[in-house]
Amino acid sequence: GDSVTQMEGPVTLSEEAFLTINCTYTATGYPSLFWYVQYPGEGLQLLLKATKADDKGSNKGFEATYRKETTSFHLEKGSVQVSDSAVYFCALRGSGGYNKLIFGAGTRLAVHP
Amino acid sequence: ETGVTQSPTHLIKTRGQQVTLRCSSQSGHNTVSWYQQALGQGPQFIFQYYREEENGRGNFPPRFSGLQFPNYSSELNVNALELDDSALYLCASSLRRGEDSPLHFGNGTRLTVT
Repeated sequence: GDSVTQMEGPVTLSEEAFLTINCTYTATGYPSLFWYVQYPGEGLQLLLKATKADDKGSNKGFEATYRKETTSFHLEKGSVQVSDSAVYFCALRGSGGYNKLIFGAGTRLAVHP
Repeated sequence: ETGVTQSPTHLIKTRGQQVTLRCSSQSGHNTVSWYQQALGQGPQFIFQYYREEENGRGNFPPRFSGLQFPNYSSELNVNALELDDSALYLCASSLRRGEDSPLHFGNGTRLTVT
């Protein structure tokens, strides 16, 4: 079945460092891909998405490119801030007409001043 | 615009009991889905409701059931609670059930089963 694998955390960075969180997927067909962020005590917020191969999703300085040849959707940010500290989830939504998202296990990011 | 709201925020139950969790979807959203997020893991899809009918289900036993009401609010019911049911339960609504409709999540209900 469909699945998402993302790098284990925690990822600890200093402010203004470069961030990469790896995400790869297994799916039949052409899934849509997402990154969600979860701040402490809160639900999930959509960070960015891409719906077809070679699409680049971007938001708040974060970017991810849908790479079908490597089945990857890595999250990047050029300069992280303390406020970016959260748990990041990669997810896919396959075909089927309903809103079933398959999530990775999440990667905790801690940014220190 | 009111977002997705869930109640209660926290709940403690005993093994074998039954629980009902509630969700008010975002204004105008007719599709609601529920997810279970165990500690340290990603959310897992339980089921989705569209126009008061279940139209998609994940790998959860029948003791997990739900309802959607005419105003599109929803309930998740879990019978015969087990210790492994302890988790954060997330509700998400969307404008429609199509693949291009983004999900808006509530802050969740933290259920502890002792």
